[in-house]
Amino acid sequence: TQLLEQSPQFLSIQEGENLTVYCNSSSVFSSLQWYRQEPGEGPVLLVTVVTGGEVKKLKRLTFQFGDARKDSSLHITAAQTGDTGLYLCAGISPNQAGTALIFGKGTTLSVSS
Amino acid sequence: GAGVSQSPSNKVTEKGKDVELRCDPISGHTALYWYRQSLGQGLEFLIYFQGNSAPDKSGLPSDRFSAERTGGSVSTLTIQRTQQEDSAVYLCASSLARGPTDTQYFGPGTRLTVL
Repeated sequence: TQLLEQSPQFLSIQEGENLTVYCNSSSVFSSLQWYRQEPGEGPVLLVTVVTGGEVKKLKRLTFQFGDARKDSSLHITAAQTGDTGLYLCAGISPNQAGTALIFGKGTTLSVSS
Repeated sequence: GAGVSQSPSNKVTEKGKDVELRCDPISGHTALYWYRQSLGQGLEFLIYFQGNSAPDKSGLPSDRFSAERTGGSVSTLTIQRTQQEDSAVYLCASSLARGPTDTQYFGPGTRLTVL
């Protein structure tokens, strides 16, 4: 069974601080996605990383895919209260016939002013 | 255009009753997924429909769970003889399924509470 471990599980910071969320696995994934979910809504895709070592930037968010395609990180610079939410990583196995995602349990981020 | 919609948004039922959850995917999306999100467990894959192919049911937790997709569009997830451990948010997603990195668009979910 492929698992994605996310850390930390909870993160509470002040506006303006930087933070990093980690997503780790012992398995290789063909690609990995990061989602953000707000209460009462479904997850919304932020980014997909496909190539080992890939780095993608989305405004203040920086996503990195590990060289071995087993891990990923999300770094937020100068966090804002609007960044509050549940951040989920999800992997796509190279062995899956379909494209059902394997999700980590998520990191709940709270940014206070 | 309209996103993925799910109904009802909330469902409270008694243990042992059957429930039906509905998902309307984005028009033109050939792939449809059901996931379950519960506290402490994260998002778990349940079932996947792709076009006219046989669905991938590998994530269904027991034979009390079933799903169908009529006419390649609307899908219904049925849970028979509900148990308290079935309480969770049930999420539906759809995609164009052009490739493994295709974006899945999620609905807002149905929160199921089994008393």
